[in-house]
Amino acid sequence: ETGVTQSPTHLIKTRGQQVTLRCSSQSGHNTVSWYQQALGQGPQFIFQYYREEENGRGNFPPRFSGLQFPNYSSELNVNALELDDSALYLCASSFGTSWNTGTQYFGPGTRLTVL
Amino acid sequence: QKEVEQDPGPLSVPEGAIVSLNCTYSNSAFQYFMWYRQYSRKGPELLMYTYSSGNKEDGRFTAQVDKSSKYISLFIRDSQPSDSATYLCAMSKGQGAQKLVFGQGTRLTINP
Repeated sequence: ETGVTQSPTHLIKTRGQQVTLRCSSQSGHNTVSWYQQALGQGPQFIFQYYREEENGRGNFPPRFSGLQFPNYSSELNVNALELDDSALYLCASSFGTSWNTGTQYFGPGTRLTVL
Repeated sequence: QKEVEQDPGPLSVPEGAIVSLNCTYSNSAFQYFMWYRQYSRKGPELLMYTYSSGNKEDGRFTAQVDKSSKYISLFIRDSQPSDSATYLCAMSKGQGAQKLVFGQGTRLTINP
């Protein structure tokens, strides 16, 4: 069984640029959730994709957008980067969206630094 | 006020000690409660989850939920240096998108 993988591991961007982060779900999973974890803080929910459709969103502006592909991999796109976007971005995959099937398994994260 | 409050520590205890980690929350709609362990530069790893009030035991770990007090705990018995990590509590309403709401995390060090 393949776990959740994310790429790249680290990324450095400058303010105003755009970035795309990628996530491959654990084998058999059809749901992907993205979280932002600032240094010393707990992860914060950005959004979730289920069967290629957005299925819930946290308090993040529209410049945070995503995609899920037919193979259930996913991308997180952030436009007009701001300094406060510097964080660890975590992807979590699960099967379904109901609790009894949807335990979320996290990837190692992508550390984004905005200068 | 944050929905979930967790003392960030750091907490340092000797090997073999019993560790108690706690979170409080304000939203009575939370039904599912989880504890994740996060090693440095890694993603969170699910340790325990419970539904509603009660206790759940798994090896050296015990999770407790008291919904009347809006208080959850994780106990680690016979703590080992390998238990040194950040422990995150998380909770969910269990409806619709599984939005997990996390605490800040408690940084734990077990000293040999």
